[in-house]
Amino acid sequence: SQQGEEDPQALSIQEGENATMNCSYKTSINNLQWYRQNSGRGLVHLILIRSNEREKHSGRLRVTLDTSKKSSSLLITASRAADTASYFCATDLPSGYSTLTFGKGTMLLVSP
Amino acid sequence: DSGVTQTPKHLITATGQRVTLRCSPRSGDLSVYWYQQSLDQGLQFLIQYYNGEERAKGNILERFSAQQFPDLHSELNLSSLELGDSALYFCASSLGTVSGNTIYFGEGSWLTVV
Repeated sequence: SQQGEEDPQALSIQEGENATMNCSYKTSINNLQWYRQNSGRGLVHLILIRSNEREKHSGRLRVTLDTSKKSSSLLITASRAADTASYFCATDLPSGYSTLTFGKGTMLLVSP
Repeated sequence: DSGVTQTPKHLITATGQRVTLRCSPRSGDLSVYWYQQSLDQGLQFLIQYYNGEERAKGNILERFSAQQFPDLHSELNLSSLELGDSALYFCASSLGTVSGNTIYFGEGSWLTVV
């Protein structure tokens, strides 16, 4: 079963707009990571946020984590057509090993 | 380029056959992971190795096996293939097994079973 569930499943916006994707998970985590996947390609690591962090920034990306609600959000500001991809959240369970459990992803389409 | 190399990129084979997928991790990474991505199951963790030893096992079928060699490359063996095994198989690597390591993914091996 999936640990993380992204919402929405698909998102379509215009260039320049902001895109927000949400991730909810079920059990306690050590950290949460966001990945991007262009169609049929490998996953690219975007950002890692630890369970004791609430917010993290990287360029146009902003990630928040609310452990009380077991949820995270990924905000992409001033989106570009090149941001078109699927975005996945992945949780790292406190098992002692780095095994990431992925959600089913949000497909983001950014139109010029 | 993540630095993780997977071969072959594409593979078409018949049901009942056996295939081997190969992975070279990033230079210096000791951990290797295998994931399967399919439309219905999403990204599923299969197995993890650290410095040659199996460290964690996920939803890996008994028909599948993997190993990590002394030079740290890894192979995923899939046998008695079924149509449902058609998927994109990813290898990933990280420096260690401590939680919080960034895990880098290869481009994947597309397996089609006909």
